[in-house]
Amino acid sequence: SAVISQKPSRDICQRGTSLTIQCQVDSQVTMMFWYRQQPGQSLTLIATANQGSEATYESGFVIDKFPISRPNLTFSTLTVSNMSPEDSSIYLCSALQRFPLTANYGYTFGSGTRLTVV
Amino acid sequence: KQEVTQIPAALSVPEGENLVLNCSFTDSAIYNLQWFRQDPGKGLTSLLLIQSSQREQTSGRLNASLDKSSGRSTLYIAASQPGDSATYLCAVREGAQKLVFGQGTRLTINP
Repeated sequence: SAVISQKPSRDICQRGTSLTIQCQVDSQVTMMFWYRQQPGQSLTLIATANQGSEATYESGFVIDKFPISRPNLTFSTLTVSNMSPEDSSIYLCSALQRFPLTANYGYTFGSGTRLTVV
Repeated sequence: KQEVTQIPAALSVPEGENLVLNCSFTDSAIYNLQWFRQDPGKGLTSLLLIQSSQREQTSGRLNASLDKSSGRSTLYIAASQPGDSATYLCAVREGAQKLVFGQGTRLTINP
């Protein structure tokens, strides 16, 4: 299955600043997604990153706070803007892809970005 | 609205035991179900993917079953090892490529 590289792996940021997280997939994928995992919680979908068009955001997430780029079929970025301590979370990139030796499509995740806002 | 529940929230067993993790979902109209493993502060590793038309999938010491009509899945781990210690997440895929996750089961295998 595809390998997803995500960077930075962790960062400590000052409130009011912005951080851009990069996600690189080693093969072309149609669908890419960004998730947030707050401390002690499960994963929540932020948005679907659409290639060549604006991302599709889930309820409670807006483009001004979480701008997303998807310039091609292997790369996406998520920016966390004007950060506050409540944004401290793990942010994960995901891709939908065909699993090897099957006709089935499943999700692969990056290693995550652990963000702490102080 | 789909809801996914995992029981128990935490489990601690001695090394070598066989164990079962449970996942239930409220809407049986799913496309497939995936089990993931997450180590502390890390990303997710896919363990098993079960299509809605399948009953089970196996990979090594892991076996996942799916009963779509009753809204249940189990993950069976045979001969547990300390390296199996992690959080295990169940997620169902609905038609619009959206994954809905459970809260996870935190598993500890004691040497």
